[in-house]
Amino acid sequence: DSGVTQTPKHLITATGQRVTLRCSPRSGDLSVYWYQQSLDQGLQFLIQYYNGEERAKGNILERFSAQQFPDLHSELNLSSLELGDSALYFCASSVAGDSYGYTFGSGTRLTVV
Amino acid sequence: KNEVEQSPQNLTAQEGEFITINCSYSVGISALHWLQQHPGGGIVSLFMLSSGKKKHGRLIATINIQEKHSSLHITASHPRDSAVYICAASGAGSYQLTFGKGTKLSVIP
Repeated sequence: DSGVTQTPKHLITATGQRVTLRCSPRSGDLSVYWYQQSLDQGLQFLIQYYNGEERAKGNILERFSAQQFPDLHSELNLSSLELGDSALYFCASSVAGDSYGYTFGSGTRLTVV
Repeated sequence: KNEVEQSPQNLTAQEGEFITINCSYSVGISALHWLQQHPGGGIVSLFMLSSGKKKHGRLIATINIQEKHSSLHITASHPRDSAVYICAASGAGSYQLTFGKGTKLSVIP
Protein backbone atom coordinates (compact mmCIF):
# COMPACT_ATOMS: atom_id res chain seq x y z
CA ASP A 1 0.00 0.00 0.00
CA SER A 2 1.64 3.23 -1.21
CA GLY A 3 -0.55 5.44 0.99
CA VAL A 4 -2.30 6.97 -2.03
CA THR A 5 -5.78 5.52 -2.43
CA GLN A 6 -7.66 5.57 -5.71
CA THR A 7 -11.23 4.45 -6.22
CA PRO A 8 -12.69 2.74 -8.05
CA LYS A 9 -10.04 0.35 -9.37
CA HIS A 10 -12.07 -0.48 -12.46
CA LEU A 11 -14.86 1.37 -14.22
CA ILE A 12 -16.81 0.41 -17.33
CA THR A 13 -19.18 2.94 -18.76
CA ALA A 14 -20.85 3.90 -22.02
CA THR A 15 -19.96 6.68 -24.40
CA GLY A 16 -21.51 10.02 -23.50
CA GLN A 17 -21.58 9.26 -19.79
CA ARG A 18 -19.88 11.08 -16.92
CA VAL A 19 -17.69 9.47 -14.25
CA THR A 20 -15.84 10.65 -11.17
CA LEU A 21 -12.51 9.22 -10.08
CA ARG A 22 -11.39 9.75 -6.52
CA CYS A 23 -7.95 10.05 -4.97
CA SER A 24 -6.89 10.31 -1.33
CA PRO A 25 -3.27 11.47 -1.03
CA ARG A 26 -0.68 10.07 1.34
CA SER A 27 -1.01 11.51 4.82
CA GLY A 28 0.79 14.86 5.01
CA ASP A 29 1.03 15.37 1.24
CA LEU A 30 -0.45 18.64 0.01
CA SER A 31 -0.01 18.19 -3.75
CA VAL A 32 -2.11 15.90 -5.90
CA TYR A 33 -1.34 15.14 -9.55
CA TRP A 34 -3.49 13.37 -12.11
CA TYR A 35 -1.99 11.41 -15.00
CA GLN A 36 -3.51 9.50 -17.91
CA GLN A 37 -1.85 6.42 -19.37
CA SER A 38 -3.15 5.22 -22.73
CA LEU A 39 -1.67 2.67 -25.10
CA ASP A 40 -0.92 5.18 -27.84
CA GLN A 41 0.07 8.26 -25.81
CA GLY A 42 1.84 6.72 -22.84
CA LEU A 43 1.77 8.61 -19.56
CA GLN A 44 0.65 12.22 -19.70
CA PHE A 45 0.26 14.84 -17.01
CA LEU A 46 -3.27 16.18 -16.68
CA ILE A 47 -3.46 18.56 -13.73
CA GLN A 48 -1.97 19.39 -10.32
CA TYR A 49 -3.56 20.75 -7.17
CA TYR A 50 -1.75 22.10 -4.15
CA ASN A 51 -3.62 22.58 -0.89
CA GLY A 52 -6.93 23.07 -2.65
CA GLU A 53 -5.78 25.30 -5.47
CA GLU A 54 -5.04 24.43 -9.08
CA ARG A 55 -1.26 24.75 -9.58
CA ALA A 56 -0.52 23.45 -13.07
CA LYS A 57 -2.40 22.18 -16.08
CA GLY A 58 -1.18 19.77 -18.72
CA ASN A 59 -2.92 17.97 -21.54
CA ILE A 60 -6.34 17.98 -19.94
CA LEU A 61 -9.38 18.09 -22.18
CA GLU A 62 -12.13 20.64 -21.59
CA ARG A 63 -14.51 17.72 -20.93
CA PHE A 64 -12.37 16.84 -17.92
CA SER A 65 -12.22 18.77 -14.68
CA ALA A 66 -10.77 18.23 -11.24
CA GLN A 67 -10.84 19.67 -7.76
CA GLN A 68 -9.16 19.20 -4.42
CA PHE A 69 -11.27 19.40 -1.30
CA PRO A 70 -10.39 20.83 2.15
CA ASP A 71 -9.54 17.34 3.42
CA LEU A 72 -7.05 17.20 0.48
CA HIS A 73 -8.72 14.37 -1.39
CA SER A 74 -9.18 15.04 -5.07
CA GLU A 75 -11.70 14.09 -7.71
CA LEU A 76 -11.25 13.92 -11.47
CA ASN A 77 -14.49 14.32 -13.41
CA LEU A 78 -14.68 13.00 -16.95
CA SER A 79 -17.77 13.89 -18.99
CA SER A 80 -19.17 13.22 -22.45
CA LEU A 81 -16.95 10.16 -22.51
CA GLU A 82 -15.54 8.88 -25.78
CA LEU A 83 -13.98 5.54 -26.66
CA GLY A 84 -10.58 7.24 -26.74
CA ASP A 85 -10.86 8.17 -23.08
CA SER A 86 -10.35 4.54 -22.17
CA ALA A 87 -7.10 4.52 -20.18
CA LEU A 88 -5.47 4.07 -16.81
CA TYR A 89 -5.81 7.18 -14.68
CA PHE A 90 -3.21 7.61 -11.96
CA CYS A 91 -3.14 9.93 -9.04
CA ALA A 92 0.13 10.83 -7.32
CA SER A 93 0.87 12.94 -4.29
CA SER A 94 3.84 14.78 -2.88
CA VAL A 95 4.59 16.96 0.11
CA ALA A 96 4.82 20.13 -1.94
CA GLY A 97 6.32 20.58 -5.38
CA ASP A 98 8.36 18.23 -7.44
CA SER A 99 11.45 18.52 -5.25
CA TYR A 100 10.05 16.01 -2.81
CA GLY A 101 9.30 13.01 -5.02
CA TYR A 102 5.99 11.40 -5.79
CA THR A 103 3.91 8.54 -4.44
CA PHE A 104 1.55 6.96 -6.95
CA GLY A 105 -1.79 5.31 -6.42
CA SER A 106 -2.63 1.99 -8.06
CA GLY A 107 -4.74 3.66 -10.72
CA THR A 108 -8.30 3.49 -12.03
CA ARG A 109 -8.78 1.54 -15.23
CA LEU A 110 -11.53 3.23 -17.23
CA THR A 111 -13.13 1.39 -20.13
CA VAL A 112 -15.58 3.28 -22.31
CA VAL A 113 -17.79 1.05 -24.46
CA LYS B 1 9.70 14.53 -30.78
CA ASN B 2 9.38 13.47 -27.16
CA GLU B 3 11.49 15.56 -24.82
CA VAL B 4 12.42 12.40 -22.90
CA GLU B 5 13.86 9.48 -24.84
CA GLN B 6 14.54 6.03 -23.44
CA SER B 7 16.49 3.11 -24.80
CA PRO B 8 16.12 0.29 -25.35
CA GLN B 9 12.36 -0.08 -25.77
CA ASN B 10 12.54 -3.78 -24.93
CA LEU B 11 15.19 -5.71 -23.09
CA THR B 12 15.47 -9.43 -22.36
CA ALA B 13 18.14 -10.61 -19.95
CA GLN B 14 19.21 -13.83 -18.27
CA GLU B 15 18.91 -13.97 -14.52
CA GLY B 16 22.06 -12.59 -12.91
CA GLU B 17 22.98 -10.24 -15.74
CA PHE B 18 23.86 -6.58 -15.24
CA ILE B 19 21.26 -4.35 -16.89
CA THR B 20 21.44 -0.75 -18.06
CA ILE B 21 18.54 1.40 -19.23
CA ASN B 22 19.28 4.82 -20.67
CA CYS B 23 17.37 8.07 -20.66
CA SER B 24 18.12 11.30 -22.50
CA TYR B 25 16.27 14.56 -22.15
CA SER B 26 16.38 17.70 -24.24
CA VAL B 27 15.38 20.49 -21.87
CA GLY B 28 16.58 21.83 -18.55
CA ILE B 29 15.16 19.90 -15.64
CA SER B 30 14.84 20.25 -11.90
CA ALA B 31 14.84 16.48 -11.32
CA LEU B 32 14.89 13.16 -13.13
CA HIS B 33 12.68 10.33 -11.92
CA TRP B 34 12.87 6.60 -12.47
CA LEU B 35 9.61 4.71 -12.09
CA GLN B 36 8.76 1.01 -12.16
CA GLN B 37 5.45 -0.31 -13.46
CA HIS B 38 4.58 -3.97 -12.96
CA PRO B 39 2.14 -5.88 -15.19
CA GLY B 40 -0.66 -5.19 -12.72
CA GLY B 41 -0.30 -1.52 -13.62
CA GLY B 42 0.78 0.10 -10.36
CA ILE B 43 3.63 2.62 -10.50
CA VAL B 44 6.39 2.78 -7.94
CA SER B 45 8.82 5.67 -7.72
CA LEU B 46 12.35 4.25 -7.60
CA PHE B 47 14.57 7.32 -7.65
CA MET B 48 14.44 11.06 -7.90
CA LEU B 49 17.77 12.67 -8.64
CA SER B 50 19.11 16.00 -9.75
CA SER B 51 22.83 15.20 -9.65
CA GLY B 52 25.29 12.38 -9.14
CA LYS B 53 24.27 8.90 -8.21
CA LYS B 54 21.81 7.09 -5.95
CA LYS B 55 21.72 3.45 -4.88
CA HIS B 56 18.96 1.34 -3.39
CA GLY B 57 19.65 -2.34 -3.02
CA ARG B 58 20.54 -3.73 -6.45
CA LEU B 59 19.38 -0.59 -8.24
CA ILE B 60 21.66 2.31 -9.11
CA ALA B 61 20.66 5.54 -10.86
CA THR B 62 23.08 8.08 -12.26
CA ILE B 63 22.65 11.40 -13.96
CA ASN B 64 24.98 13.60 -16.01
CA ILE B 65 23.49 17.08 -16.09
CA GLN B 66 25.91 18.41 -18.72
CA GLU B 67 25.13 15.57 -21.12
CA LYS B 68 21.40 15.53 -20.21
CA HIS B 69 21.57 11.79 -19.67
CA SER B 70 20.61 9.35 -16.96
CA SER B 71 21.05 5.63 -16.55
CA LEU B 72 19.33 3.02 -14.41
CA HIS B 73 21.41 -0.03 -13.59
CA ILE B 74 20.23 -3.31 -12.11
CA THR B 75 22.88 -5.62 -10.72
CA ALA B 76 22.36 -9.39 -10.39
CA SER B 77 19.01 -9.20 -12.18
CA HIS B 78 16.16 -11.44 -11.06
CA PRO B 79 12.88 -12.47 -12.71
CA ARG B 80 11.01 -10.30 -10.19
CA ASP B 81 12.73 -7.28 -11.77
CA SER B 82 10.61 -7.88 -14.89
CA ALA B 83 8.59 -4.70 -15.35
CA VAL B 84 8.39 -1.54 -17.39
CA TYR B 85 10.88 1.10 -16.29
CA ILE B 86 9.93 4.67 -17.03
CA CYS B 87 12.11 7.74 -17.00
CA ALA B 88 10.41 11.07 -16.30
CA ALA B 89 11.68 14.63 -16.09
CA SER B 90 10.29 17.52 -14.12
CA GLY B 91 11.16 20.74 -15.89
CA ALA B 92 12.83 23.72 -14.27
CA GLY B 93 10.06 25.77 -12.68
CA SER B 94 7.44 23.22 -13.67
CA TYR B 95 5.52 20.79 -11.51
CA GLN B 96 4.55 18.37 -14.23
CA LEU B 97 6.38 15.22 -15.27
CA THR B 98 7.25 14.51 -18.89
CA PHE B 99 7.57 10.78 -19.42
CA GLY B 100 9.64 8.57 -21.64
CA LYS B 101 7.84 5.73 -23.39
CA GLY B 102 9.28 3.14 -21.05
CA THR B 103 11.59 0.14 -21.31
CA LYS B 104 9.99 -3.28 -20.97
CA LEU B 105 12.41 -5.55 -19.13
CA SER B 106 12.02 -9.33 -19.05
CA VAL B 107 14.43 -11.32 -16.92
CA ILE B 108 14.48 -15.02 -17.75
CA PRO B 109 15.40 -17.63 -15.14
